[in-house]
Amino acid sequence: GEDVEQSLFLSVREGDSSVINCTYTDSSSTYLYWYKQEPGAGLQLLTYIFSNMDMKQDQRLTVLLNKKDKHLSLRIADTQTGDSAIYFCAETNPSGYALNFGKGTSLLVTP
Amino acid sequence: NAGVTQTPKFQVLKTGQSMTLQCAQDMNHEYMSWYRQDPGMGLRLIHYSVGAGITDQGEVPNGYNVSRSTTEDFPLRLLSAAPSQTSVYFCASTRSRNYGYTFGSGTRLTVV
Repeated sequence: GEDVEQSLFLSVREGDSSVINCTYTDSSSTYLYWYKQEPGAGLQLLTYIFSNMDMKQDQRLTVLLNKKDKHLSLRIADTQTGDSAIYFCAETNPSGYALNFGKGTSLLVTP
Repeated sequence: NAGVTQTPKFQVLKTGQSMTLQCAQDMNHEYMSWYRQDPGMGLRLIHYSVGAGITDQGEVPNGYNVSRSTTEDFPLRLLSAAPSQTSVYFCASTRSRNYGYTFGSGTRLTVV
C-alpha cells in the first residue's frame, strides 16, 4: 500500500500549541483521519477531513490539508497533560474500505 | 450500544496452537477490518470485509483467516500460531468512510 509518514516524537510544554505533521502518497485518498491512542487503549477518532477541504476546526483541534504537497497537520491548541498520547494519521486505502496508518507520533506534554 | 467488542483482551498461545479472536459490533456497520499493531510499525491491515460473505486481504494476511457470516461478527483465526504473530490486534468497523472507523479495545496476543 501507499506510505503514510509521520515524525515519531514531539515534546511540548503545557499550554503551548502542538503541531503534528503527516505526509501521504496516495493521491486518490478521499478521507484523511487523525486518531489518538492512550497507553493500553484502543484508537479514538479525533477528527477527519475530506480531500476537497483545506481546513477543519473542532474546538482545540485544527486540521490543515495541503493537497499539492500531500501534507496533513493536526494542531492542538492549549495542549494539556491529558493530550499526551500517540497520534496516528491515516488515509483510506486503495480499496476504500480500510485504512493505511502512519507509524504514529508520540506526544509528550510536560508541566 | 456497546460499539466494537473484542474478546479475549489477553491471550498466551504456544507455537503451533490455533485460536480465534472475536470481534462483534452492534452498529449495523457493513465495513469491518482487522489490524495488528507492533512497536514502531503503526497499524497494519490484515483482512477486511465489505459485508456479509465478502472478505479480502490486506497488507499482512499470511497466517490469518477470516469469514463474515453475519453483519455483526468478523472473527480472525490463527491457524498455527507463530512467535511473529505476537502483537496487539484491533478490529474496526464503519458504515461509511465519511463517518470514520470505530475501533475495539484490542486483544494482546503473545505466542511463546
